[in-house]
Amino acid sequence: KQEVTQIPAALSVPEGENLVLNCSFTDSAIYNLQWFRQDPGKGLTSLLLIQSSQREQTSGRLNASLDKSSGRSTLYIAASQPGDSATYLCAVRRGGNQFYFGTGTSLTVIP
Amino acid sequence: DAGVIQSPRHEVTEMGQEVTLRCKPISGHDYLFWYRQTMMRGLELLIYFNNNVPIDDSGMPEDRFSAKMPNASFSTLKIQPSEPRDSAVYFCASSFEISTDTQYFGPGTRLTVL
Repeated sequence: KQEVTQIPAALSVPEGENLVLNCSFTDSAIYNLQWFRQDPGKGLTSLLLIQSSQREQTSGRLNASLDKSSGRSTLYIAASQPGDSATYLCAVRRGGNQFYFGTGTSLTVIP
Repeated sequence: DAGVIQSPRHEVTEMGQEVTLRCKPISGHDYLFWYRQTMMRGLELLIYFNNNVPIDDSGMPEDRFSAKMPNASFSTLKIQPSEPRDSAVYFCASSFEISTDTQYFGPGTRLTVL
């Protein structure tokens, strides 16, 4: 069974700092990997989707990378803002349309 | 589009009662997913549909859980009888295509079983 791990579980940074969130998965046979943001009491919002053939995706201040061979993905957030405070989850899709989510990293950006 | 709509947003019930959660996907989306989120287990896929047909229900925890999609704009997740360990946030999500498209999540239903 695919296991998805996110470290750290929680992160607190001062505003303006660049930061990296990590996601690792045990089985490299994935179709894609997706990063989501979840605000308290809300559903998930998709940030970036990386197909297995891609190495990275960028959207504004966000950049996600994927290294299938090592089973790792990172989400880079540049110039963090208090509005970035949320829980960030990664999810991998395997064959058979199976989806596996990490437990998330809770990010707090301090003004 | 209003996005994925779920109802109710909060449900409190007593053990043994039947619970029905509802979801309206985004119009035009062919895929619908039901997830459960708990502190202990994180987010788990319960079941998903393609064109109203259940494709994979391997995540459904027990026979007490059932899901239906009678048409393209409506799905239900039913728990009968409910138990305290079913307490969780249940999310519905939809997508246009499964391999290349992102999933759009609803706001979730917070279920508490006493």
